[in-house]
Amino acid sequence: DTAVSQTPKYLVTQMGNDKSIKCEQNLGHDTMYWYKQDSKKFLKIMFSYNNKELIINETVPNRFSPKSPDKAHLNLHINSLELGDSAVYFCASSQGSGRFNEQYFGPGTRLTVT
Amino acid sequence: SQQGEEDPQALSIQEGENATMNCSYKTSINNLQWYRQNSGRGLVHLILIRSNEREKHSGRLRVTLDTSKKSSSLLITASRAADTASYFCATEGRDDKIIFGKGTRLHILP
Repeated sequence: DTAVSQTPKYLVTQMGNDKSIKCEQNLGHDTMYWYKQDSKKFLKIMFSYNNKELIINETVPNRFSPKSPDKAHLNLHINSLELGDSAVYFCASSQGSGRFNEQYFGPGTRLTVT
Repeated sequence: SQQGEEDPQALSIQEGENATMNCSYKTSINNLQWYRQNSGRGLVHLILIRSNEREKHSGRLRVTLDTSKKSSSLLITASRAADTASYFCATEGRDDKIIFGKGTRLHILP
């Protein structure tokens, strides 16, 4: 069984569109994360949720809005997509909040904005 | 430079040799972790080392941490083709912020 899953795996869309990426974990973890990995492989944390509450919100445009309907899900909605949003987005989960416990990563979603 | 800078950016070695990658950071940390990323895949956790630890082992992996120099190294002994991947260090600062480096691309030659 997949521990952390993301959908879709690939997403190609045009500038200005609104899109969502879904993430689900079946590990029973209480903390979930979203990371952005740009073309230069640099990985940067965007958001972190613990028990459906936002605990980390790095400098990310307001166009990005995470939604956590329950502990097992953390979705990422992006409004008015821009070319610079093209990247691979990774979802992750861990047990425990605040401290940097071992994180389990999903396979990533490759977003291409044209 | 960024917090969590890996060095070198790319490394090619013969199978069977040892591979050493370094990570430098700027601010005080709670812990540091190393991850592996195979091409097109998610990250896989390798080792976590806490700020009061100096060395940890896991199979063929050895991680050292020198807080006075704000650096860590990852040693992979007896490398195998399957070790070909990108390796990232990630630091958790005193402010609980998590920062990843850009990674080292390791290529094991047959």
